[in-house]
Amino acid sequence: QVTLKESGPVLVKPTESLTLTCTVSGFSLSNVRMGVSWIRQPPGKALEWLAHIFSDDRKSYSTSLKSRLTVSKDTSKSQVILTMTNMDPVDTATYFCARSYGDYDYNYVDVWGKGTTVTVS
Amino acid sequence: QSVLTQPPSASGTPGQRVTISCSGISSEIGSNTVSWYQQLPGTAPKLLIYINNQRPSGVPDRFAGSKSGTSASLAISGLQSGDEADYYCAAWDDSVTGWVFGGGTKLTVL
Repeated sequence: QVTLKESGPVLVKPTESLTLTCTVSGFSLSNVRMGVSWIRQPPGKALEWLAHIFSDDRKSYSTSLKSRLTVSKDTSKSQVILTMTNMDPVDTATYFCARSYGDYDYNYVDVWGKGTTVTVS
Repeated sequence: QSVLTQPPSASGTPGQRVTISCSGISSEIGSNTVSWYQQLPGTAPKLLIYINNQRPSGVPDRFAGSKSGTSASLAISGLQSGDEADYYCAAWDDSVTGWVFGGGTKLTVL
């Protein structure tokens, strides 16, 4: 069974950095068909993609947040880590990690973590 | 980085068929497959449709997806009260090498 679980602080002060950890099970972070994305959802608003890490350790980031985001992984620990600097109250949201599955001609996010709610205040 | 365009709301009565549209551009929907997600209040999104029109096991065939060019749609037939949720489309965006989501459609069953 594939699962992802987010963990991290519930409350962060403005200007501080946020570090979230996604612990996965049921698959390997080195599987070439799989990657992990971080996605957030402010209260009452839509989903917003933040960052993605591929099986070969390539990373990609949201254009608007690129300067504040860093994503990394520890394959041996089955963990993906997201760091967001200079937090602001507008960053208050539920943060999800999710698995992407695909090949050269298709891909989709198939499994989501339950999410962790982060308040910036 | 654009957001896929969805209607903010949709509604129908039990038993009816409703359709939710999702519009994008060439670098996302035009070049990649579309997936759809159902999000019930207070829960994580759940995969409903993948690769444009495929249903994961356990998703009833009342849910159907389609894609043409840079647009996609989700059709829900035999509407049930339990279908009340937010629905999101998504596609990979080659221009940013990342995911782009729709703004979400809130479905109300009258």
